[in-house]
Amino acid sequence: EAQVTQNPRYLITVTGKKLTVTCSQNMNHEYMSWYRQDPGLGLRQIYYSMNVEVTDKGDVPEGYKVSRKEKRNFPLILESPSPNQTSLYFCASSKQGYEQYFGPGTRLTVT
Amino acid sequence: QQQVKQSPQSLIVQKGGISIINCAYENTAFDYFPWYQQFPGKGPALLIAIRPDVSEKKEGRFTISFNKSAKQFSLHIMDSQPGDSATYFCAASWGGGADGLTFGKGTHLIIQP
Repeated sequence: EAQVTQNPRYLITVTGKKLTVTCSQNMNHEYMSWYRQDPGLGLRQIYYSMNVEVTDKGDVPEGYKVSRKEKRNFPLILESPSPNQTSLYFCASSKQGYEQYFGPGTRLTVT
Repeated sequence: QQQVKQSPQSLIVQKGGISIINCAYENTAFDYFPWYQQFPGKGPALLIAIRPDVSEKKEGRFTISFNKSAKQFSLHIMDSQPGDSATYFCAASWGGGADGLTFGKGTHLIIQP
């Protein structure tokens, strides 16, 4: 089954404790991206990657890091999480940037 | 700067009625306009999309109307059903999607039985 998977689905952590949210796709897509979804703000792009070893900032990259060492994986790293990063995070992939397939989401709470 | 403005924020429609959600964009370089549907606890799923070379695209009960001169596009859901109750997002992209999608803020649609 073609899909984008994210882990964990739910995470509660404390300020400053480094964490990684994994994202994997099995569709051989070149393009992958991360979004955060907040009430009243819709979805905002954090980072995207057009292929292995190629990443670029989206609209809200501050406080996040990404890496793309393999085509199928695109982890999101929060080096020092803060409460304002409490959000619902989605990973997405596509053959190009257009028809993006979204993962199920990761709900992160930073206390 | 919000590049895609979506309205209304919430919408209640009776079963069998027509649901209409509107979006306006600013960047004339946008060349792809999708609509996504999101159910609670799920990721957004592509519903229907249009390119600016056509003024309308229909897939089943869902239709996108596109007005290039006004820089507006809308989603029409005909014969709305309770199962259509969800949050709908319009989005826009350009240049082969290299910069990803710019989303509207979403419309929470409720179809009353």
